[in-house]
Amino acid sequence: AQSVTQLGSHVSVSEGALVLLRCNYSSSVPPYLFWYVQYPNQGLQLLLKYTTGATLVKGINGFEAEFKKSETSFHLTKPSAHMSDAAEYFCAVGGSSASKIIFGSGTRLSIRP
Amino acid sequence: DAGVIQSPRHEVTEMGQEVTLRCKPISGHNSLFWYRQTMMRGLELLIYFNNNVPIDDSGMPEDRFSAKMPNASFSTLKIQPSEPRDSAVYFCASSELAGGPNNEQFFGPGTRLTVL
Repeated sequence: AQSVTQLGSHVSVSEGALVLLRCNYSSSVPPYLFWYVQYPNQGLQLLLKYTTGATLVKGINGFEAEFKKSETSFHLTKPSAHMSDAAEYFCAVGGSSASKIIFGSGTRLSIRP
Repeated sequence: DAGVIQSPRHEVTEMGQEVTLRCKPISGHNSLFWYRQTMMRGLELLIYFNNNVPIDDSGMPEDRFSAKMPNASFSTLKIQPSEPRDSAVYFCASSELAGGPNNEQFFGPGTRLTVL
């Protein structure tokens, strides 16, 4: 069985500040991990994914995430927030033996000028 | 590639009417997913198909909901009869066969359904 927990339904940071969105997962199989972003009135789009190999994964728009097996975490970071980063972010878990991806409940990121 | 195509983008209907939402997945993708998104419940998986066969429909809320995938390039989600609580944004997504290393899902733009 797989599950995802996103800590914090809403995160607010100042423009230029560090962005940290937290995600913890549970998986009985080696996990594939994903971060998706949803801008207002749009569908979800993939930011980055981890399947195997290097545990630090770089994605689009300057985001990156690190897979930490010992902590069962896959937190999303960006060194300097832009106003355009305001959106909802979803963490998700799948796997080679998993038949579908399980999405977290989402974290809404707001950027203060 | 045009991505996942959904139609209509917006649908307003009256309670009791039949609603049909349509989806064209990305060519070559073997898995198709229907989701519903609301403020209260977030993103919910309704049903998914592998190679046109329904695999898991445990998320379908009631018998009023049905989904079909007659071929690899087309799927429908039908609500009959519709109720105001069905108002939501419905997303279709597709991926290479679920469970593979490239099983990230590609989402369509969604259909915003309003049932009056």
